[in-house]
This record gives sequence, structure tokens and C-alpha cells, in this order.
Amino acid sequence: GAGVSQSPSNKVTEKGKDVELRCDPISGHTALYWYRQSLGQGLEFLIYFQGNSAPDKSGLPSDRFSAERTGGSVSTLTIQRTQQEDSAVYLCASSGGAKNIQYFGAGTRLSVL
Amino acid sequence: AQKVTQAQTEISVVEKEDVTLDCVYETRDTTYYLFWYKQPPSGELVFLIRRNSFDEQNEISGRYSWNFQKSTSSFNFTITASQVVDSAVYFCALIISNTGKLIFGQGTTLQVKP
Repeated sequence: GAGVSQSPSNKVTEKGKDVELRCDPISGHTALYWYRQSLGQGLEFLIYFQGNSAPDKSGLPSDRFSAERTGGSVSTLTIQRTQQEDSAVYLCASSGGAKNIQYFGAGTRLSVL
Repeated sequence: AQKVTQAQTEISVVEKEDVTLDCVYETRDTTYYLFWYKQPPSGELVFLIRRNSFDEQNEISGRYSWNFQKSTSSFNFTITASQVVDSAVYFCALIISNTGKLIFGQGTTLQVKP
């Protein structure tokens, strides 16, 4: 597609439920990133996929968070047993080419009640 | 450790004023990349500029200009003749070579009043 697409745009869930957030990167981009934006913590890196390499998971805040990227394209970020502190905007970005510029989607706003 | 500091939390100007957004970064690496992104009220982060650590040339794009100074570890952003549409949150960010992950500053909220 023309840009990075994320779905859903908004998600409201109850504490303890699992949620899945989806990201469709720009076609042909080999790298995909997840970030989280919250009032208290600003913009934080979560995880980074580059081609077929093992992902860099160094930013995942706990083992309740996981992500996968199928077929080198679409990615799903899963949060298990959601907590209120997981409420944030989850942003996905992709990049391709030598300049390493990350292009962002509009984000998924997650509210945990 | 790597860090990006945007000391100005909020700036308010009147349309047509010039405004400079400050960014100071910390890294011990010699190869790195600096970025500015704009986040309008719609929420999507919009890429503005990328600069690598070996290129200290200032850049101008229309009303936007960037001043990169390695001696002071700064990468400041100036908007000339600001417009209401420039109202947004602006983020400065850093990537260390080969790590891929953007390290963001806390952002500066710019309000341009008519």
C-alpha cells in the first residue's frame, strides 16, 4: 500500500484480556518496528524486525508482550493479560533502502479499563 | 548511553514569527543518524529530515531549516514565518548505526496562533 497501515485504530479492552494489534508495512520494506507512546514515558522502542534476522526484542517491557512478522510483511503485536498501564498508542513503522528512514502508521490507541 | 533532550516542552508563537526548536543528543558512537519528525493532531508521525553524523552541512527546505553542530551535540530546527498549520508536536530522534531503533526526545509542542 501507499503507507503503513495499522488496525484497529482504537481498541478498548478489559483488564486481563489479550489483544492483538496489526501492522501492514509499506510494500517492499524489509524492516518493521513497533513503538509505544504514552503520556508518562514518551515514545519508546519495543521491537524491530529486519528481514529474516532474529528480531531485536530489547524494548519489550514484559513477557506479556510478543510480536511476530509473517512472510516478511504483516506484523502482529500481542499483549496478554492486559493491565491498565498498557494503555497507550502503539505505533508501527517500516523502512527500506540505505537511508534507514522509518515511516510511521497512524497508530492504535489502546485503552485498558 | 544514548539520549536525546528537547528542553522546550511547549512553545507558543504568533503566526509569521520565526521559531527554533532545540535538540541536544548524547552518544559515544561516531556513526549515528539524527531525525526530526512532526506529529500533528491526527497522531501520525511525519518524517521531516535525516542527517548522518558525518554531514554537518545545514539544510534548508522551504520555511524549514536545520542546524547540526557536532561540537555542541545539537541539531536544532527553525521554522521561518510560522503558520497555524505548523502547530504540532515535534520530535528529535537518534539512531546509532546498525541498531535500527529510534531514540526519541520528549517532544516540543508548538502552538502557532493566528
